[in-house]
Amino acid sequence: SQTIHQWPATLVQPVGSPLSLECTVEGTSNPNLYWYRQAAGRGLQLLFYSVGIGQISSEVPQNLSASRPQDRQFILSSKKLLLSDSGFYLCAWSGGSLADTQYFGPGTRLTVL
Amino acid sequence: AQSVTQLDSHVSVSEGTPVLLRCNYSSSYSPSLFWYVQHPNKGLQLLLKYTSAATLVKGINGFEAEFKKSETSFHLTKPSAHMSDAAEYFCVVSDEGGNQFYFGTGTSLTVIP
Repeated sequence: SQTIHQWPATLVQPVGSPLSLECTVEGTSNPNLYWYRQAAGRGLQLLFYSVGIGQISSEVPQNLSASRPQDRQFILSSKKLLLSDSGFYLCAWSGGSLADTQYFGPGTRLTVL
Repeated sequence: AQSVTQLDSHVSVSEGTPVLLRCNYSSSYSPSLFWYVQHPNKGLQLLLKYTSAATLVKGINGFEAEFKKSETSFHLTKPSAHMSDAAEYFCVVSDEGGNQFYFGTGTSLTVIP
């Protein structure tokens, strides 16, 4: 069966510090991968999605970036965090075919102070 | 373009009474529709999905949803609310290729003992 992992589960970082969040998927190959952010009490905002290694689509301009160095690994990064980067970050995968389903990781709670 | 509208940001029901969470969609083709549940500080869990088979879809934890093309609706229901149903619920539509997913703004369900 497929599983998706995210780490760390929680993170507290000062403004201006770098960020690296990692997501890995097991039990499937060539998944579509997604990064979402959920601000407190709000819905999900799609940040990035990837349909293959090295292929990243960005949905919103921001100081975050994403990379996909391996087929089942998706990394969210920042060189300098802002206060507004605080939120709950969710990684998800799907099979990429019509009517397929998106499956979510447990999330990372990021607090920028 | 695809989109979903969740008509209620908050719903409050008494334990043991029926639950109705409303969702309307907009799509230029026959859509795939999903409902997810999110408990605090957790990832999203798939409740059910519609993929152009039966219009009445049964999901986990006693939830079901009915696809009504004439009304462009996909409302989520449960005959009897349980305290553990208190959570945030998201209605989602996927694009024609199954690569992107469009989320509603969420409905927060409160269950009163």
